[in-house]
Amino acid sequence: EAQVTQNPRYLITVTGKKLTVTCSQNMNHEYMSWYRQDPGLGLRQIYYSMNVEVTDKGDVPEGYKVSRKEKRNFPLILESPSPNQTSLYFCASSLRGRDTYNEQFFGPGTRLTVL
Amino acid sequence: AQKVTQAQTEISVVEKEDVTLDCVYETRDTTYYLFWYKQPPSGELVFLIRRNSFDEQNEISGRYSWNFQKSTSSFNFTITASQVVDSAVYFCALSPASGGSYIPTFGRGTSLIVHP
Repeated sequence: EAQVTQNPRYLITVTGKKLTVTCSQNMNHEYMSWYRQDPGLGLRQIYYSMNVEVTDKGDVPEGYKVSRKEKRNFPLILESPSPNQTSLYFCASSLRGRDTYNEQFFGPGTRLTVL
Repeated sequence: AQKVTQAQTEISVVEKEDVTLDCVYETRDTTYYLFWYKQPPSGELVFLIRRNSFDEQNEISGRYSWNFQKSTSSFNFTITASQVVDSAVYFCALSPASGGSYIPTFGRGTSLIVHP
């Protein structure tokens, strides 16, 4: 089954404790990205990756890191989480051809609470 | 800079009513894509439609239809004969079709509540 998986689905942590949210897709998609969803703000992109070893900042990258060592995986790293990073996080992937844009497939979401 | 405005924060209708969700966008790009996604209460995000800026034909898919008007920068979504299962948050999104920026912009979403 074609899908995007994220782990964990729920996480409660404390300020300053490093954490990683994993994201994996099995569709051989080049493009992957991370979003956060906050009430009244919609979805905002954190980071995206066009392909292996190619990453770039989205609209709200502060406090986050990513890496793309393999095509299928795109982990989101919070080196020192703070309460304002409490949010619902989505990973997404899509095919990305030149001058085209395909719909994104989203993971199930990770609800993060930072105390 | 891109912007997507979904002015309706919440809409409440009774089953079988028709409902239109508005989406107005701003972009300086000449070519772009517009999307609608659905987020049901279970939380996942589901793709509904993509529209290329070159293609202003309206589209119908069952009870769903989309009206793209480039002249007014709008991409509205209509659900005909709404059902309780249509209750969800709906997001409109915009992305450049080429160039260096691949950052899609989402609207803040419209919460649709369909009462039985």
